[in-house]
Amino acid sequence: DSGVTQTPKHLITATGQRVTLRCSPRSGDLSVYWYQQSLDQGLQFLIQYYNGEERAKGNILERFSAQQFPDLHSELNLSSLELGDSALYFCASSVYMEGDEQYFGPGTRLTVT
Amino acid sequence: AQRVTQPEKLLSVFKGAPVELKCNYSYSGSPELFWYVQYSRQRLQLLLRHISRESIKGFTADLNKGETSFHLKKPFAQEEDSAMYYCALRPNPNAGGTSYGKLTFGQGTILTVHP
Repeated sequence: DSGVTQTPKHLITATGQRVTLRCSPRSGDLSVYWYQQSLDQGLQFLIQYYNGEERAKGNILERFSAQQFPDLHSELNLSSLELGDSALYFCASSVYMEGDEQYFGPGTRLTVT
Repeated sequence: AQRVTQPEKLLSVFKGAPVELKCNYSYSGSPELFWYVQYSRQRLQLLLRHISRESIKGFTADLNKGETSFHLKKPFAQEEDSAMYYCALRPNPNAGGTSYGKLTFGQGTILTVHP
């Protein structure tokens, strides 16, 4: 699959814990975006990286952080997890930034118990 | 601030009937508007964008700047159209700023097409 990949598919963890979600963009894509999809908030933009640099920030909590590595894969770190963090986390990638279509990954479903 | 509103959470129609999924937006500049679709157990995928003005799978959407709307329409719904549909907005990349990559989504509309 040459599309956007995300691991793991599912994650179940307890409150207070820390998890790392991983995203590999499409081959050649330099931009990575993270979105959170929850029942009450819908689909919300969290953060964008372009070629290793943070480009835009959305409604991302201070407990959350992300980075993009030299090989362009990205990780989203969620710490001090709360029940309300349970959601589907999507990664998307695009070639550059301006005017490009974003291709979405299958998502990681996080359940905090 | 940018905002996208999809007033209908659920929409049910019968096969062959026309369907319209509503989307209204608020944005101070000139936005790009998109419709994304998420079929059951599949990833979110782009259905159409207003700048391309093309019809995909029989769906069309016209940007109405006066009414700040971007409603999605199809004259004859099919069962395979059943899915979650999201309207999304992105700042026009020619407008500059640092948020041009960010997509703002509506809450989504679940469309069910009955046989």
